Amino acid sequence: GAGVSQSPSNKVTEKGKDVELRCDPISGHTALYWYRQRLGQGLEFLIYFQGNSAPDKSGLPSDRFSAERTGESVSTLTIQRTQQEDSAVYLCASSRDGQPQHFGDGTRLSIL
Amino acid sequence: DQQVKQNSPSLSVQEGRISILNCDYTNSMFDYFLWYKKYPAEGPTFLISISSIKDKNEDGRFTVFLNKSAKHLSLHIVPSQPGDSAVYFCAASLLGATNKLIFGTGTLLAVQP
Repeated sequence: GAGVSQSPSNKVTEKGKDVELRCDPISGHTALYWYRQRLGQGLEFLIYFQGNSAPDKSGLPSDRFSAERTGESVSTLTIQRTQQEDSAVYLCASSRDGQPQHFGDGTRLSIL
Repeated sequence: DQQVKQNSPSLSVQEGRISILNCDYTNSMFDYFLWYKKYPAEGPTFLISISSIKDKNEDGRFTVFLNKSAKHLSLHIVPSQPGDSAVYFCAASLLGATNKLIFGTGTLLAVQP
């Protein structure tokens, strides 16, 4: 597709379960970012990929959060042992070097 | 510690008039600033940007002004249209680093017909 694609669009899960969120960036975009938006707040940076490497993981809130990228394309964000405070919209963005980031529509994660 | 601040959570403007959205930042190292527009249940859409070497950038109805000494930027929309009604986020980054964006909390703009 032409834009950044994220799946699932919505995810409801029970506290303590693991979840995996997927991002398909725009073809040819070497940079990929994950952000989180909690209710009523701005977007919060989580992790940055350049190619398949993650030189900046400084925004990951705890070791329950991890992410990987393969083939300089698809990325997955995994949250283990989910907690209620993990409820948020998780947004993925991609860009070419030096260009503005293009965002997907996000995954709305609800932890019961 | 909120490095990028949008102090007005909402703004209401009449169609055809000017909308002015404001943003303040605390980190003087930021050198690239962007505005994104967001509709409900959609991702943010890039609107306009400005480098710290400029004080103004214009694109059609949208103009961004940067005042580095005051660490302040603003987005002007003229004339405002009902379709401009959305949440507007200001963001800042350090060029040449990871380019991660630091976002403000957003301003909800309502343009009344």
